[in-house]
Amino acid sequence: NAGVMQNPRHLVRRRGQEARLRCSPMKGHSHVYWYRQLPEEGLKFMVYLQKENIIDESGMPKERFSAEFPKEGPSILRIQQVVRGDSAAYFCASSLSGNGYTFGSGTRLTVV
Amino acid sequence: GESVGLHLPTLSVQEGDNSIINCAYSNSASDYFIWYKQESGKGPQFIIDIRSNMDKRQGQRVTVLLNKTVKHLSLQIAATQPGDSAVYFCAETYFGNEKLTFGTGTRLTIIP
Repeated sequence: NAGVMQNPRHLVRRRGQEARLRCSPMKGHSHVYWYRQLPEEGLKFMVYLQKENIIDESGMPKERFSAEFPKEGPSILRIQQVVRGDSAAYFCASSLSGNGYTFGSGTRLTVV
Repeated sequence: GESVGLHLPTLSVQEGDNSIINCAYSNSASDYFIWYKQESGKGPQFIIDIRSNMDKRQGQRVTVLLNKTVKHLSLQIAATQPGDSAVYFCAETYFGNEKLTFGTGTRLTIIP
């Protein structure tokens, strides 16, 4: 069991470009969560998805951010037209049924 | 040594000593609490959890104490080891809520 896999580990984008972050949940897990962490801060909830459905996106910025968890393949967090303030570590977690999160190692996005 | 959470985010402890990390949680409706350990460049790692119907729970070298009256949570680590050096976060949620709310964190440094 490979755990929650996130890629890339590090991503550098210029302002205005798009960032795509991928998350493959643990085998058998159908719940996926995305969190953002700024330096020296705790994680902040962004979005909760189940297969093909967004369940709770109350933590997502209204513009430029979107997430999906298709029937096949990884969950994708997409950030369009990135700005410097988007620089952060983005963590994905998965669970079997809403209990017992397992976090991935994160993607560190740097916007230059 | 003892941390008071947000007011003392860094804690240094001599190897072999016990450490206590504190957390003041925000939501009186929260009924499930988790401590996570985050090492540099990694995702949060589950340490121990506790439900609101308990006030103490023990694991291997770790103990979590919950005081619902003052909305306070603490993590005690016994006989600290160099590998315990990390940032420790408390997180809270409540039944039916899939989101975790994280505290700011405390950086624990073990002095050899």
